[in-house]
Amino acid sequence: ETGVTQTPRHLVMGMTNKKSLKCEQHLGHNAMYWYKQSAKKPLELMFVYSLEERVENNSVPSRFSPECPNSSHLFLHLHTLQPEDSALYLCASSQEFATVGSNQPQHFGDGTRLSIL
Amino acid sequence: RKEVEQDPGPFNVPEGATVAFNCTYSNSASQSFFWYRQDCRKEPKLLMSVYSSGNEDGRFTAQLNRASQYISLLIRDSKLSDSATYLCVVNLLGGGYQKVTFGIGTKLQVIP
Repeated sequence: ETGVTQTPRHLVMGMTNKKSLKCEQHLGHNAMYWYKQSAKKPLELMFVYSLEERVENNSVPSRFSPECPNSSHLFLHLHTLQPEDSALYLCASSQEFATVGSNQPQHFGDGTRLSIL
Repeated sequence: RKEVEQDPGPFNVPEGATVAFNCTYSNSASQSFFWYRQDCRKEPKLLMSVYSSGNEDGRFTAQLNRASQYISLLIRDSKLSDSATYLCVVNLLGGGYQKVTFGIGTKLQVIP
């Protein structure tokens, strides 16, 4: 059983649709992350939130818009996506972000498998 | 040079065999390291952290070689259930900044 839950598990949408991915963590962590996993590529970090503030945005197109209303919830709003955006989107959390000397692994949700028609 | 490099495999090994994977990293300032396991169409799950002195968890042994900038994962007495992709993760920390980099993963297939 994962302490990080993501919904929906699967999503098929057209390029003009607007949808949102949801992530909730039940671990009391202070940092949350969005990753994109495409076939035959390493996980790509998209966004990082620490204590509800965005601390990293890895040159992600504006058609992806994150939102972190509190430390337990993270959303990824999708708008006007492209076929190449089809991928598995993974949410993760860790106790803290950027604590020097720490050894803090990330805990992942099951992911949302997104298909863009 | 890629920041984190892994041989994607697949490594096909018979049950009971010992198998080892390496993962090299380019930034010598990297500070913490992990191995994750990812089953097909599932999320990555933490397998073990990698400590400077090396660490063992049952059949799994992780080691860090800072001089040569690689980490390794050794699996003894392979089980069918070990079949998965093993992801190497490297953390670079400093000045309030954290960079987490995943390798592409090494696919292991344990065959009967």
